[in-house]
Amino acid sequence: KAGVTQTPRYLIKTRGQQVTLSCSPISGHRSVSWYQQTPGQGLQFLFEYFSETQRNKGNFPGRFSGRQFSNSRSEMNVSTLELGDSALYLCASSAGTGRSEKLFFGSGTQLSVL
Amino acid sequence: AQSVAQPEDQVNVAEGNPLTVKCTYSVSGNPYLFWYVQYPNRGLQFLLKYITGDNLVKGSYGFEAEFNKSQTSFHLKKPSALVSDSALYFCAVRDLSIQTSYDKVIFGPGTSLSVIP
Repeated sequence: KAGVTQTPRYLIKTRGQQVTLSCSPISGHRSVSWYQQTPGQGLQFLFEYFSETQRNKGNFPGRFSGRQFSNSRSEMNVSTLELGDSALYLCASSAGTGRSEKLFFGSGTQLSVL
Repeated sequence: AQSVAQPEDQVNVAEGNPLTVKCTYSVSGNPYLFWYVQYPNRGLQFLLKYITGDNLVKGSYGFEAEFNKSQTSFHLKKPSALVSDSALYFCAVRDLSIQTSYDKVIFGPGTSLSVIP
């Protein structure tokens, strides 16, 4: 079974631009969560999607948005990029049906904003 | 609100010695606790979880964790450290969001473990 796939692996953007990151979950998984990882803040929860619906949202500004498609693939969009958005963005998938489930993570997209 | 604390940013241990990575948590209901490990330039990998039952949980790569309800702690342990255990370790809790009535997984800030040959 293929793991969680995130593309692209690296991105370099400039302030003010917008960016879209993609995540393909493990086959059969319907939940996709997104996290922002920075050295100072650790892993911050962005949002979670299940069957194309956002179930939970973290404390990020409206510039951060996401969506999930009918095949469970998810995209995350950041508009009007700021220097502070430079981070590793991680996607995690799970079946989404039980509290004891573990998360399966992709290798992440490293975003650098110049 | 739920939270997870890892009081040590960095833990150094000699190869062959026992290691402990500390975690304390705060949740509104029963805790669902997890440990994940992150190797350089990789995503996180699941190590072990506590849901209910025995307070000592065994996981991957020889790791185990001890759940202590009275101290609200879930410390990660290994009897004999390997150099290959050097990585970033995250404690996490799954808790119910009051706003949405759905779970979300909250991670601690991470502890960098260095095993010295």
